[in-house]
Amino acid sequence: DAKTTQPPSMDCAEGRAANLPCNHSTISGNEYVYWYRQIHSQGPQYIIHGLKNNETNEMASLIITEDRKSSTLILPHATLRDTAVYYCIVPVTGANNLFFGTGTRLTVIP
Amino acid sequence: GAVVSQHPSWVICKSGTSVKIECRSLDFQATTMFWYRQFPKQSLMLMATSNEGSKATYEQGVEKDKFLINHASLTLSTLTVTSAHPEDSSFYICSARVGGTGANVLTFGAGSRLTVL
Repeated sequence: DAKTTQPPSMDCAEGRAANLPCNHSTISGNEYVYWYRQIHSQGPQYIIHGLKNNETNEMASLIITEDRKSSTLILPHATLRDTAVYYCIVPVTGANNLFFGTGTRLTVIP
Repeated sequence: GAVVSQHPSWVICKSGTSVKIECRSLDFQATTMFWYRQFPKQSLMLMATSNEGSKATYEQGVEKDKFLINHASLTLSTLTVTSAHPEDSSFYICSARVGGTGANVLTFGAGSRLTVL
C-alpha cells in the first residue's frame, strides 16, 4: 500500500467538526483513499473512500487535495461515540487486501 | 447492510489446545475473507486471505501450519489456532468484501478475543 502519514492523536470538542488529516504523497493516479475507524475492542468500520473528487455520505465528508497528495476526513458534528482510531489507507491498485497503519486516535471531549 | 458475524467473541483456553474461530457472512456471499490479528495498543495486522474452495494465502511471517484457515463455503471461513500458546493471545478479526461496493470496502466482524493461559 502507498504510505500514509497521520497524526497519532487528536482531540475534538463534542458538537464541533473533527478534521482528520492524512498525507499520501506517493499516491498513484488510480489509487483510491479509504477511511476506516475502529472503536475500542470492536472490528473496524468502513467510513468513506474517494479517488479525486470530494465525497460525502451519512457518516463523513472526504476532501482530497487537487494534487491528491493529502486528504482530510471531516466528521461535521462529532459525538462522544465518534471516539475511535481512524485509519487512512491507500491500497495498491489491484490489491486484494488492506493493510492498516497506526491511524489517528480521535478523542471527542464533552 | 452487510453483516459479518464472528464466534466466539471471546475464548480462554489452556496452552497446547487448539481453538477454532468462525467467521460468517450473514446476508451475502463472500468468496474472499481476510483474517487480521491485533495485539494490545497496536494496529491490525493482516494474517491471511481466505479463498472459498482453495488454499488460503498467508502473509509473510504467519505460520500456515499453526493458523489453519478453511473456507469451505461462500458464507463461512474458520481460523484454527493450533497448539495455542500465551503469545498467541490476541484479538482476531475477520472481514469480507461485499459485492457491488468499492473494491476495498470491507465489512468486519466484531472480533474474537483469545486468551491462552
